[in-house]
Parts: sequence; structure tokens; C-alpha cells
Amino acid sequence: EVQIVESGGGLVQPGGSLKLSCVVSGFKFSAYAMTWVRRAPGRGLEWVSTISGDGGSTYYPNSMRGRFIVSRDNSKNTLYLQMSSLRAEDTAIYYCAKEAIAAVTSQSDYWGQGTQVTVSS
Amino acid sequence: QSVLTQPPSASGTPGQGVSISCSGSSSNIGSNYVHWYQHLPGTAPKLLIYSYNQRPSGVPDRFSGSRSDTSASLAISGLRSEDEADYYCAAWDDSLSGWVFGGGTKLTVL
Repeated sequence: EVQIVESGGGLVQPGGSLKLSCVVSGFKFSAYAMTWVRRAPGRGLEWVSTISGDGGSTYYPNSMRGRFIVSRDNSKNTLYLQMSSLRAEDTAIYYCAKEAIAAVTSQSDYWGQGTQVTVSS
Repeated sequence: QSVLTQPPSASGTPGQGVSISCSGSSSNIGSNYVHWYQHLPGTAPKLLIYSYNQRPSGVPDRFSGSRSDTSASLAISGLRSEDEADYYCAAWDDSLSGWVFGGGTKLTVL
């Protein structure tokens, strides 16, 4: 059974940093690309980042490139999202999702329950 | 402003059918697969349709997808109260080298 569990969310001040983790089980982690998606209050789903199975390729929307860094430790079945220079508009629930195949352009077939990030003074 | 355009809301009565549109461009829907997700706030998003019209195991055949040129649609037949949720289309965008989502459609079952 595929399981995806995010953690690391919390309250952080504007300009601060936070590192999210996503621990997975039930599949060969290194064989699949992984994606972070967020949903802010009153808004829709927004893509945050995608990383290839070997970690060699990463992708970000322009609005997050340079502030967010995605990485993975395949030996620990764990995906990370290092967020810095956080702004109030980064307040959201952050979801970790598994891609259906190795390609970064495939659909996300399993998702975690999310972790809440609140940026406020 | 989302790259993919969806109507903000849709509604229907139990047993009826409803369709949700998703409009994009040649760099996303026109050249890559479209996927649809169902999301109830506070829960994990769920893959509903992938590769235009494929259903993952466990998704009822009341849900179907289609694509024409740079637009896609999600159709739901035989509406049930549990279908009340937010629905999102998504596609890889070759120009942006990333995923783009629609703004979401809130489905209300009256």
C-alpha cells in the first residue's frame, strides 16, 4: 500500500525559512518523480516543484525559483522542500505527490494529506 | 490568473449530468496529456482522470474525460452528493517547463 506523509509545516515569520519533509512507503521511491503542490486559503491547487527519480532534474514555477529548493534522499525514501524568504502569500497546505511513472510529465497518482504552512508575524 | 481556464462553479441535481471545461493552449493541452483531480479541502487530492480519458482503478465510470485541440472536458453523469468537491484540470506546459493547473471548478450537488 502506497503511503505518503508530509511533515515540517508550522508558523514562520515573513522572511523566514522552513523545510518540509515527505516520507513515502509502498513503492520503489527512486523509480518515480515526485511533486509538491500547494493550496492557499480561498485559492486553487498550485504547482510548487517537481524532481526526477534520481534527483538530477528539478523544476519550479518562476514565482518560486530561487526561494524554494526541492531535493530527495532515495536511501531514506524522503522528499524535501526547503523554503526561504517566505511571504504571507506562501501560506498554504503543501501536498506531496507521487508521479505515476518515472517521467516528470506524468500524472500524480498518489497524494499525501498535506502539511500546513503559515507565514505571519 | 491560471494558465488553464475553468469555470469557477458548476451545479446539478442528483442523477443529472454535468460537464466542466478546461481551456489551454498549444504548449499545454495542445501537446500534452490532460489530467483531472478531485479535491475536498482538508483532504488529499485524488486523481480522477489521466491522459485525457483514462480512469484509475476505483474511479466510477460515471466520470469521463475528453480533449479537443487545446481544450478538455470532464463529464460526470448520475450526480451524487459525494461528488460535491473542487475539480482541477492539469497539464505539463512545454513553454514553462512545468505543470499548469486550472483555477478549479466548485461542483455543487443541489
